[in-house]
Order: sequence, then C-alpha cells, then structure tokens
Amino acid sequence: QQPVQSPQAVILREGEDAVINCSSSKALYSVHWYRQKHGEAPVFLMILLKGGEQKGHEKISASFNEKKQQSSLYLTASQLSYSGTYFCGTEIGGTSYGKLTFGQGTILTVHP
Amino acid sequence: ETGVTQTPRHLVMGMTNKKSLKCEQHLGHNAMYWYKQSAKKPLELMFVYNFKEQTENNSVPSRFSPECPNSSHLFLHLHTLQPEDSALYLCASSQDLTGVGTDTQYFGPGTRLTVL
Repeated sequence: QQPVQSPQAVILREGEDAVINCSSSKALYSVHWYRQKHGEAPVFLMILLKGGEQKGHEKISASFNEKKQQSSLYLTASQLSYSGTYFCGTEIGGTSYGKLTFGQGTILTVHP
Repeated sequence: ETGVTQTPRHLVMGMTNKKSLKCEQHLGHNAMYWYKQSAKKPLELMFVYNFKEQTENNSVPSRFSPECPNSSHLFLHLHTLQPEDSALYLCASSQDLTGVGTDTQYFGPGTRLTVL
C-alpha cells in the first residue's frame, strides 16, 4: 500500500518555508526522499532509517517519527531551484530491502 | 549526473513491434531496478535484480521481459505492448540490498515510451 503525501501541491515565494509529509499504514524500516524536475530523473535527497533520526542537507532536512510511521521533509528559506515534485519512498525492510513504494508526489513551486 | 544512463531516451512503437530498453550504470553497484512512471501516478516498481539475480517481479505482465547479463547492464524487452503501457520507464541502481542505507537508489533519465 502506497504512502500518502500531503499536501499535494504548494506554492511559495523565495525565502518561505514548507513542510511535506509522508504517512504510511505499515511499520517502516526507512523512508527515502527524492526530488524530480520536469523531464528529468528523480534525484536522491536523503534517507531516514527507523530510530526517529533527523537529517539535514543544506537547507533541506527531514525527520522520521517511528511511532506515527510518518516522515516530514522541511524546506527552509526556499530557493527557485527547489521547485519540482517531491516523492517519498517507503521501505518495510526484512526480505524487502530495495523495494520502495512511492507516494503520489508533492508539487512544489517557488516564485521569485 | 551520468552515473546511470538509459537508451533510447524516446521510443515510439506499434503494438506488434518488439523493442528493448537499455540501462547502464557506472557506479559499481550490484542492484538494479526498473520503474514505470505514468502521468498522475506514483512511481511503480517493476523488477529488482541483485547480483544479476531477479529478486522482485511486482506482478508485471509477461509482455515486459527483463534481462540482467551483469551488474552494470539491465535490459527491458518489450513485445505486443498496449497503448496503456505508454509511460516513462526509469532505471535505477543501488550498492546492494542489504539495507542500512546501501539500497539508496540512483535513477537514470528514463525512456519516454509511446505505444500506438
């Protein structure tokens, strides 16, 4: 069953912040975040392993709440280059390592 | 990022044609994947190979036939496709499938397939 992302779309002005959520009904081993620009390949942003850790990548960070089976991606002081579709991919582990189930995506648009 | 390449980038084929998609990774990875990305749908995992062995077939119709001759190359053979198979087909690779983050996947640019 695919994870649910919210919101489906968000529009920002440069410098504003955004949060994208990814929720699963299954116990997760990890959550992978990707960004895809139109006509391009998805680009890996970061992976969160179970344990509730938080990771950061420049002004983009993420957290994983194991209790809620939810991950959140935080984009601070957004830049025009942040525009694109953000996907979370969830992994339940065990014999299913590598088998990612992706959410429907969140379209982020950053305006000047 | 040129770690994962795919050819052709665009393909138009009739329902009776046979064609193949090619993926090559230059990252020294051991696991490779095929995904289908249709408009307004999430990425769908199709096949997973680890050290040339298929570990996952996500209920994919037999008109799609994967082949992995070595850890660097992955093919998707297509025959008697349907118009609803038109989509972007993405290849990805990861170090392996042992978990602990080593299954982080790196994607190629995709092949845009149109079935007439």
